[in-house]
Amino acid sequence: GENVEQHPSTLSVQEGDSAVIKCTYSDSASNYFPWYKQELGKGPQLIIDIRSNVGEKKDQRIAVTLNKTAKHFSLHITETQPEDSAVYFCAASKGNTPLVFGKGTRLSVIA
Amino acid sequence: KAGVTQTPRYLIKTRGQQVTLSCSPISGHRSVSWYQQTPGQGLQFLFEYFSETQRNKGNFPGRFSGRQFSNSRSEMNVSTLELGDSALYLCASSSREGNTGELFFGEGSRLTVL
Repeated sequence: GENVEQHPSTLSVQEGDSAVIKCTYSDSASNYFPWYKQELGKGPQLIIDIRSNVGEKKDQRIAVTLNKTAKHFSLHITETQPEDSAVYFCAASKGNTPLVFGKGTRLSVIA
Repeated sequence: KAGVTQTPRYLIKTRGQQVTLSCSPISGHRSVSWYQQTPGQGLQFLFEYFSETQRNKGNFPGRFSGRQFSNSRSEMNVSTLELGDSALYLCASSSREGNTGELFFGEGSRLTVL
């Protein structure tokens, strides 16, 4: 089955700097790659997603890139703010199969 | 529009007991998925229900079971609790079958097994 590896597990950045989180997946048939943000005491919330027919997608300060050949995708957050501090999860799936999540990255934005 | 509601939010049980967790999805959503979240393993898929039918099942023992009612509300049950079952159990609803659309998560039910 699908296996998703996520790095780093923790990341600290200065406010205003950029943050990058990387994920690799094992199943070349996977075609849907969402990113979820989980704030303390809350459930995960979708922040951006990408499908395999697209190489990059942006939404304001957030962007996701996908390299199908290398089977990896990345989350980029620019101009980080303290409210970006949270745990971020990448995930992958194909067809109607369940999402397989990475183990998460705890991002701390230091003011 | 009300979000996904999970009850209870916190509960403490002892080994060998059983527990039932409840999830009310967003109105109109027919798909409900359950995930177990632990610090070491992240989010692991338990099962998904769509229109009262189990569509997918994760790699968990038979002690973990679930069901969905005609109003899309879902329950999951864990019997013969073990210490390792301590976790945050998250429910997510979606308007689409499978996990190819946005999942809306509840805040979870935190289970502690003593």
